[in-house]
Amino acid sequence: KAGVTQTPRYLIKTRGQQVTLSCSPISGHRSVSWYQQTPGQGLQFLFEYFSETQRNKGNFPGRFSGRQFSNSRSEMNVSTLELGDSALYLCASSLIGTGTYNEQFFGPGTRLTVL
Amino acid sequence: AQSVTQPDIHITVSEGASLELRCNYSYGATPYLFWYVQSPGQGLQLLLKYFSGDTLVQGIKGFEAEFKRSQSSFNLRKPSVHWSDAAEYFCAVGARLTGGGNKLTFGTGTQLKVEL
Repeated sequence: KAGVTQTPRYLIKTRGQQVTLSCSPISGHRSVSWYQQTPGQGLQFLFEYFSETQRNKGNFPGRFSGRQFSNSRSEMNVSTLELGDSALYLCASSLIGTGTYNEQFFGPGTRLTVL
Repeated sequence: AQSVTQPDIHITVSEGASLELRCNYSYGATPYLFWYVQSPGQGLQLLLKYFSGDTLVQGIKGFEAEFKRSQSSFNLRKPSVHWSDAAEYFCAVGARLTGGGNKLTFGTGTQLKVEL
């Protein structure tokens, strides 16, 4: 079974631009979460989607948004990029969105550099 | 709110030596605990997890961890380190959220260097 895939793997943007990152979960997984990893702040939870609905959101500004499609694929968007948005963005999928705790499987990440 | 502390930012061990990476957590309920490993430029790979039951859990690549509720700790161990174990290790606590779904809170990571 294929793992979590993220595209693109690397991205370079300039301040003020916007960017869209894509995540395809493991087949059958319906919950998708996004995390930001930076040297200064570490790994931080951005948001989580299930059945095309954002269920949970971390403490990030409104410039960070996302969506999930009916096939569980997810995209996240960052508008008006700032230098501090440079980070590794990790997507994770899990099998079941409700009930007991289900482990999350991570993709390889998208490395975003903002110049 | 949950939190995770990894007190060691960097650790260097010789190949073949034993390893222990420390992790302390803060969480009001029974914790779901994880150890992940990250190689440079890569995502996170799950080494092991603790949900309940036996407090000594076995993981992949010869790693094990022991859950100690009284100490709020979940330390990772390996009896004999291999050069390929050099990577960054993250301890995490999972929380079930009121809206449904789960969220991981990570420690700041421990960078492991292995000397040949």
